[in-house]
Amino acid sequence: AQTVTQSQPEMSVQEAETVTLSCTYDTSESNYYLFWYKQPPSRQMILVIRQEAYKQQNATENRFSVNFQKAAKSFSLKISDSQLGDTAMYFCAFMKTARGSGAGSYQLTFGKGTKLSVIP
Amino acid sequence: NAGVMQNPRHLVRRRGQEARLRCSPMKGHSHVYWYRQLPEEGLKFMVYLQKENIIDESGMPKERFSAEFPKEGPSILRIQQVVRGDSAAYFCASSPNRAGGYTFGSGTRLTVV
Repeated sequence: AQTVTQSQPEMSVQEAETVTLSCTYDTSESNYYLFWYKQPPSRQMILVIRQEAYKQQNATENRFSVNFQKAAKSFSLKISDSQLGDTAMYFCAFMKTARGSGAGSYQLTFGKGTKLSVIP
Repeated sequence: NAGVMQNPRHLVRRRGQEARLRCSPMKGHSHVYWYRQLPEEGLKFMVYLQKENIIDESGMPKERFSAEFPKEGPSILRIQQVVRGDSAAYFCASSPNRAGGYTFGSGTRLTVV
């Protein structure tokens, strides 16, 4: 079974500054995806960024980028030029690929989340 | 192209009543997933369905919970004889296939009083 750990329950950052959210995971799979989801107070789960484990290049989406360290099983999210609208819960999640072993290769396993507050 | 639609957004039930949560997947998506989010927790997988079939219900409680995804109409998550511990946000997601990532709805917050 996979586990996802987010060790920072809460973080805050000044507007326009950069913040990094940590995530580690444990798996015996070699093929998988990793995700960061954002959940603002509206409760909508919004996909922020996605990383395929076989890709060495770190994924980037505008102000959001990841530092994917496969050997260390680490997947941190960096938010640059933080904006007030970035205030939300952020969840790290793991999914085995369809080529992974058997059952559960479509389930997302989530961490407990990090509550990020952007301060004006 | 509407996203994943869940209704109702909020649902209040008294202990012992039934709760029915509805999910209409995105157009063209035939895979539906239900997740539950307890307060201060991440989402936990409950069940995965394709049209008319339950593929994996390993995350569903053994009693009182059931799910369906009929040929026509939305997917339904049904909770019979609700108890206070069922109070949570229930999220539905859909995808066109099993390959990596899907779109979530806005969730239904169930409160049992």
